[in-house]
Amino acid sequence: QKEVEQNSGPLSVPEGAIASLNCTYSDRGSQSFFWYRQYSGKSPELIMFIYSNGDKEDGRFTAQLNKASQYVSLLIRDSQPSDSATYLCAASGTYKYIFGTGTRLKVLA
Amino acid sequence: EAGVTQFPSHSVIEKGQTVTLRCDPISGHDNLYWYRRVMGKEIKFLLHFVKESKQDESGMPNNRFLAERTGGTYSTLKVQPAELEDSGVYFCASSRAGALNTEAFFGQGTRLTVV
Repeated sequence: QKEVEQNSGPLSVPEGAIASLNCTYSDRGSQSFFWYRQYSGKSPELIMFIYSNGDKEDGRFTAQLNKASQYVSLLIRDSQPSDSATYLCAASGTYKYIFGTGTRLKVLA
Repeated sequence: EAGVTQFPSHSVIEKGQTVTLRCDPISGHDNLYWYRRVMGKEIKFLLHFVKESKQDESGMPNNRFLAERTGGTYSTLKVQPAELEDSGVYFCASSRAGALNTEAFFGQGTRLTVV
């Protein structure tokens, strides 16, 4: 079992829809969770991080964390073609990140 | 503010050769990390520097890999001798603090191909 699991996709959603990206983790010692977006050939860039159970909203993005279920998700509202990228989920218990393989999102115009 | 910069962006070398990758972190960031992504796999941690000191090198694959950060500024990652399985994208990241919830900024990566 991988430490951080993500569906590789691609996840295809129409423009304007809500994209839901999911991630599960196995280490209960993980305390912080990060969502990075990566365009092909570019550096991963942080979208959000979350460390408390519940929801955290930032603009069109909402991160959700459920530590009991060891589940993290990222919702993207009003998806745009420019949101098409690979989304990386990372868990951290200390200073280093444990990444999932990423989910490729395609937003169809 | 300049981001994390990595050189070169691409490198193709023959098996048995030596390659040195360089990372310039964001100015003022004491924490520097190296990660690697092998094709089809997840990004994996290699090691962590705080200033010039190695805090954790548990992810280094073997003794063919040597990382340095002299003076606590830029870092180099040398692979000697390179093997085919070393091919992948090597990412460098830096952060201001090593505490939880601290954002790590990533460079664009160096794509290493060993032939």
